[in-house]
Amino acid sequence: DSGVTQTPKHLITATGQRVTLRCSPRSGDLSVYWYQQSLDQGLQFLIQYYNGEERAKGNILERFSAQQFPDLHSELNLSSLELGDSALYFCASSVETGPYNEQFFGPGTRLTVL
Amino acid sequence: GENVEQHPSTLSVQEGDSAVIKCTYSDSASNYFPWYKQELGKRPQLIIDIRSNVGEKKDQRIAVTLNKTAKHFSLHITETQPEDSAVYFCAAGDQTGANNLFFGTGTRLTVIP
Repeated sequence: DSGVTQTPKHLITATGQRVTLRCSPRSGDLSVYWYQQSLDQGLQFLIQYYNGEERAKGNILERFSAQQFPDLHSELNLSSLELGDSALYFCASSVETGPYNEQFFGPGTRLTVL
Repeated sequence: GENVEQHPSTLSVQEGDSAVIKCTYSDSASNYFPWYKQELGKRPQLIIDIRSNVGEKKDQRIAVTLNKTAKHFSLHITETQPEDSAVYFCAAGDQTGANNLFFGTGTRLTVIP
């Protein structure tokens, strides 16, 4: 157990809908990252937050947004969902930002869009 | 942005043999290269990492090598065991102060008993 929690574990929804994925980082970790893992594909970096502020952006669609709250938990909002958004979404956290800080991954949220 | 390529996509070895997975990266500013192991249905977990000021690092049966000039790095697993079967991801970290990682597409390693 990495200490990173994600809810829900599974989510099934329909095209066009909006969902929110939640992540609680390890105690003391200030940085949160979101990744998308599609079937048979690698981990695609979406976005990073550090102490409440957006720090880096990857290949995140405009339909997706995220935020990190004062208690350091983070939410990833996915809207106007499409079939291709079906994937495993991982959250990871690290103590600080910058290189060399190990990222600890949560168990993931499996999103299925029907 | 950074682009990480990983080969092979699948690899099968006999138990006891060695396995080698190779990655290349594009951004010369990357200075951190971790390797993650993801067992079926589980989260990725860091198994070893290397920084750009080091050419090789070893931890028991696992070793990583880095060639900064050629922009490639490799994972070597010796004396493979069935429990080494998993998907392995290489990644490269940029140097902008953020810690976002760019991952390769993964290698599914199967160790045949």
